[in-house]
Amino acid sequence: KNQVEQSPQSLIILEGKNCTLQCNYTVSPFSNLRWYKQDTGRGPVSLTIMTFSENTKSNGRYTATLDADTKQSSLHITASQLSDSASYICVVSGRQAGTALIFGKGTTLSVSS
Amino acid sequence: NAGVMQNPRHLVRRRGQEARLRCSPMKGHSHVYWYRQLPEEGLKFMVYLQKENIIDESGMPKERFSAEFPKEGPSILRIQQVVRGDSAAYFCASSDNNYGYTFGSGTRLTVV
Repeated sequence: KNQVEQSPQSLIILEGKNCTLQCNYTVSPFSNLRWYKQDTGRGPVSLTIMTFSENTKSNGRYTATLDADTKQSSLHITASQLSDSASYICVVSGRQAGTALIFGKGTTLSVSS
Repeated sequence: NAGVMQNPRHLVRRRGQEARLRCSPMKGHSHVYWYRQLPEEGLKFMVYLQKENIIDESGMPKERFSAEFPKEGPSILRIQQVVRGDSAAYFCASSDNNYGYTFGSGTRLTVV
């Protein structure tokens, strides 16, 4: 069964600290993996997208890594800001582009001052 | 480019009424996807449509739910005879089939 598991379920950190979110997936065949940020009451916004041949991709203070052999990905957030408080969702596409995505349940990050 | 537009943002229906949710994809996007997000849950795929065709409806409940994406106009997700369990946020995404997905801000359906 195609699944995407994320950990931790929730995380609280102080402003300015770094944190790493984890994603394990069993989707096969694998096409690409995305990280989305979803603010409360809003739709998900794309942070990064990686195909199986990419190991790392950065977007500002966000850096995603991918190990297609172990089927694991991480999202590292550097120098966290209050505005980083949101749900971070790992999403895997198991087929070619243009088809449905499989979503993890997300990690809820709270950044406090 | 206004992005993916969903309306209404909030919808309240009494049990047994019909709910119609609309989604206008980004300009140039011909693929539309509907997802449902229950409280404290992740987004779950419902249906994937291209213009005038349903490509994959494996996530749609067998009864009361239907979707369309006509040649002209927005995509419509229709829920007949709503029940309290239908209360959720419904998100639409559109794609140009080149890996780019853009989500709308969602419609929050409350059934009272």
